[in-house]
Amino acid sequence: GAVVSQHPSRVICKSGTSVKIECRSLDFQATTMFWYRQFPKQSLMLMATSNEGSKATYEQGVEKDKFLINHASLTLSTLTVTSAHPEDSSFYICSARDALTGSHEQYFGPGTRLTVT
Amino acid sequence: QKEVEQNSGPLSVPEGAIASLNCTYSDRGSQSFFWYRQYSGKSPELIMSIYSNGDKEDGRFTAQLNKASQYVSLLIRDSQPSDSATYLCAVKLKGREAALIFGKGTTLSVSS
Repeated sequence: GAVVSQHPSRVICKSGTSVKIECRSLDFQATTMFWYRQFPKQSLMLMATSNEGSKATYEQGVEKDKFLINHASLTLSTLTVTSAHPEDSSFYICSARDALTGSHEQYFGPGTRLTVT
Repeated sequence: QKEVEQNSGPLSVPEGAIASLNCTYSDRGSQSFFWYRQYSGKSPELIMSIYSNGDKEDGRFTAQLNKASQYVSLLIRDSQPSDSATYLCAVKLKGREAALIFGKGTTLSVSS
């Protein structure tokens, strides 16, 4: 149980274009999903907390107009990187909590490696 | 600034030995603590969660929590080469909706 998928697993895009990353909870409902970014040799940095049916909460320093988050259902959250630049190249990972258990354990998706050329 | 500190390592142990990974945190109000394992190029995988002072055992893994000292550790018994990975300590901040703060991780290398 507690499987989270992400799509795509890897994407290369040109500078100035937008990229959408999907995060799905496959066997549970997730009222809250989280988006992280991880640069090489660094730890995970929380970008935003996504709540189903409401606006995402962004961490300090994360541009909400650049990283658009939509959490339209209990099993799907999307992150759109708009006007991507090479410095946005990173490993983007989502995670989700099981709403029914009330547990604070987070289950991670496999991640999306974004390369902006 | 809420912080989670880990020794980056690498921590090297021979196969069959006990690996001890340590983590300290700054937010005294933290209630929930997690250990994740991350292989290179992969996303983190939850190993253990611990909420109360003391030890919690699951197979070869034992998590230890001391809230008074703001310290949490992970012991891996009978270490295997497949345990070689980066281990991330994560702490849930009090008052934040399930937000986890991660340490930078400790790289463990188990030699056969």
